[in-house]
Parts: sequence; structure tokens; C-alpha cells
Amino acid sequence: GAGVSQSPSNKVTEKGKDVELRCDPISGHTALYWYRQRLGQGLEFLIYFQGNSAPDKSGLPSDRFSAERTGESVSTLTIQRTQQEDSAVYLCASSLVSGTGTYNEQFFGPGTRLTVL
Amino acid sequence: AQSVSQHNHHVILSEAASLELGCNYSYGGTVNLFWYVQYPGQHLQLLLKYFSGDPLVKGIKGFEAEFIKSKFSFNLRKPSVQWSDTAEYFCAVKPDTGRRALTFGSGTRLQVQP
Repeated sequence: GAGVSQSPSNKVTEKGKDVELRCDPISGHTALYWYRQRLGQGLEFLIYFQGNSAPDKSGLPSDRFSAERTGESVSTLTIQRTQQEDSAVYLCASSLVSGTGTYNEQFFGPGTRLTVL
Repeated sequence: AQSVSQHNHHVILSEAASLELGCNYSYGGTVNLFWYVQYPGQHLQLLLKYFSGDPLVKGIKGFEAEFIKSKFSFNLRKPSVQWSDTAEYFCAVKPDTGRRALTFGSGTRLQVQP
């Protein structure tokens, strides 16, 4: 596709329910990132996938959060037993990956706005 | 761990006014620095970036930023803003080595009045 897409665009759920958010990266982008943006705050890194390497999960806030990516395609972010503090916009980004010392621009999707009642 | 501070949360300017948005970061090593912009209803997009070399970098739409290493700052400037610059602006930093993810500031909402 032309850009990073995410679904759903909005999700309202009840506290304690599980939710699954989806990200479709730009074709050919081997790197994929998940970020979270709480109201009035900056983007907070959650998890990073690069090709077949083990993902960098250092930003996941608790074990209720998990993410998967199959190959270099779609990724899903799952939040189990949602809490009100999970309410945020969840952003996905993808990029190419070049050699060490080279930065490739991250292209962001439109985000999923999650509201936990 | 690195952190990024943006001092202005909400800035209101009239068209043709000059703009400067502050950004300071905390990290002891070499960093790459970025400004991202999010126009209303649109995705985050890269405005400009600094990796090395000339500390004054120019980006799209007439924006520029100056890296001052001694002050750990990377302020964004534009000599004359337009109504179309109304957006939210985010400063971000990435260590030169290690994790590829970005650390973002909390953002500055710019409102330009016609």
C-alpha cells in the first residue's frame, strides 16, 4: 500500500477485556515499531521488530502487552485485561533497515485510538 | 535512559510572526535528532533531522533547527509562520548506536491565527 495502515481507527472497550490492534507496514519495510501516546504526552516506545531478529520488547509496560509479527508483514499488538490507564493512541511505524550508523525514516500510520471504560 | 523536554505545550502566533520551539534532551553520548510534525487529521511526518556536520539543518516548508551540543538543545525555527503551519510538533532523539526506536518529547501545539 501507499503508507502504513492501522485498524481499527477507534476502539472502545470495557475494563478487563482483551483488545487486538493491527498494523500493516509499508511493503518492503523490514522494521516495525509500536508506540503509545497518552493524552498530552509524547510518543512512548513499546516494541520493535526487525526482520527475523528477536524483537526489542524493552518498552512494553507490563506483561498484559504483547505483540507479534509474521515475517515482514502484518503486526498485531494485544492488550489483555485492559485497564483505564491503557487508554491512548497506539501508533505503528515502519522503516527500511540499512547498515549500522544509517538511519532510515520511520513512516507512521494514523493510529488506533483506544478508550477503556 | 534518554529523555526529551519540550518547554512550550501550546503556542499561539499570528501569521508572519517568527517561531522558535524549544527542545532539550538528556543523553551523554552522540545522538541523532529529529523534529516531526502532525497536521490536523494527518499522520506524523518527518520535518527535519540532524545526524552530523553542519549543526544548522533545514527541513521542509521553510523550517530549520539548530543543534547546540553544549546546551543539549535542538530548537526548531521558522522566520515567518503561515496559517497552514498549525499543527503539533514533536522533537525526538535516538542514540547514535543501539536501539533504533525514537524517544519523543511531549509535543508543542502550534496555532497560527490568520
